[in-house]
This record gives sequence, C-alpha cells and structure tokens, in this order.
Amino acid sequence: SQQGEEDPQALSIQEGENATMNCSYKTSINNLQWYRQNSGRGLVHLILIRSNEREKHSGRLRVTLDTSKKSSSLLITASRAADTASYFCATPVAGNMLTFGGGTRLMVKP
Amino acid sequence: DTGVSQDPRHKITKRGQNVTFRCDPISEHNRLYWYRQTLGQGPEFLTYFQNEAQLEKSRLLSDRFSAERPKGSFSTLEIQRTEQGDSAMYLCASSWGGASVRNEQFFGPGTRLTVL
Repeated sequence: SQQGEEDPQALSIQEGENATMNCSYKTSINNLQWYRQNSGRGLVHLILIRSNEREKHSGRLRVTLDTSKKSSSLLITASRAADTASYFCATPVAGNMLTFGGGTRLMVKP
Repeated sequence: DTGVSQDPRHKITKRGQNVTFRCDPISEHNRLYWYRQTLGQGPEFLTYFQNEAQLEKSRLLSDRFSAERPKGSFSTLEIQRTEQGDSAMYLCASSWGGASVRNEQFFGPGTRLTVL
C-alpha cells in the first residue's frame, strides 16, 4: 500500500501560471520529500522538508507541511513547458525505504 | 558523471527467461535501494542494502527475485523465470546513511523490463 496520495492526479496549465499539488500521508514522519520524473526516466530529488519545518523554498518551488493534517503541498510558480513531468511525494518508512504516492501528472502548455 | 547508473536501460525478454540488472551507486553512498514502478504508479520499494548487507526486503520481492551487493559497491537484481507481470521499470537509488534524518535518495535512470 502507498503511504502518500497526491491530488490532483493530473493537472494541465498554461505556461506562466502557478501549479499546486497536494500530498496526504498516513503515519508519522521525520521528513517528506518531493521528486520529479520526466516521462520514462528516473526520479530527480526536488526538495526535502523536515517534520519540524512548515515551509521551505527552492527557486520557483515552495513546499509546505502540515503535520497535524498529515499533508503537504508543492507549489511551482511561473511554470515553464520544461516543468511538464510527474511529481511524487515520498516519506521514509522504517527509517530507510521511501513510500511514494501515485503522483500528479503536470502538463504545462506553451 | 558521478550519478547513479543502471544497465541495461531496456530489456525485452520472453516469459520464463532469467534477467539480471546492474546498478552502480554514487561512490560515497553506503545505502542502495531497488524499487519497481509500473505504468502510471509511483515507485514501490523492493529491497535495501547498507554496505553489503541486505537489511530489508519487501513482500513484493518473491522468491524469484534476488539481489546482491557483494562488495558494498555495485548491486545486481536478478529475476528468475520471468512472468508478464514482472514488466515494469526497475529503479535503483543510493544515499548516504549517516546520522542525519535527511535520507535523500538519488535515483538512476531505471531499467525498463518488458516480458513477452
């Protein structure tokens, strides 16, 4: 079973718009990570937020974490066509392995 | 390039054949992970090594699957008597397992297996 669930499953926006993806998880966590995957390729680590952090920024990415609601969001500002990819949240379980959600498939139209 | 590499990138095999995949982690990383990803889904954990010791195995890892990391560096994943349900992308990742809670994992490009 998957720990995280992303919402929405698919998102289509115009270049320049902001994209928001949400992730919910089930158990207590030490941190939550977001990854990007281009079609048919490996995953690229985007950002990690620790359980004692509420918000984190990296370039055009903004991640929030609400441990009381067991949820996180990833905001991509000023989206570009190159941001088209699948985005996954992941949480470490038993300290080591990552459990991924089903992903949000983002399409940014030029 | 000092990232995680996997070989081969694609493998097509007939049902019943054995296949072996290789993963070379980032050199200073002591932890290595294997995941499986089917189309439209997130990756699912298969197994994990710290140095040469295999410390965790998922229930997904049936007895047809075996993984090794003989010298604590590269790893191999073998699937015996492949079935069509084994068709998936097999992803390898590595990380530095120190005292930090970060546990960032760095993924390779994956090996896409197609079982005919």
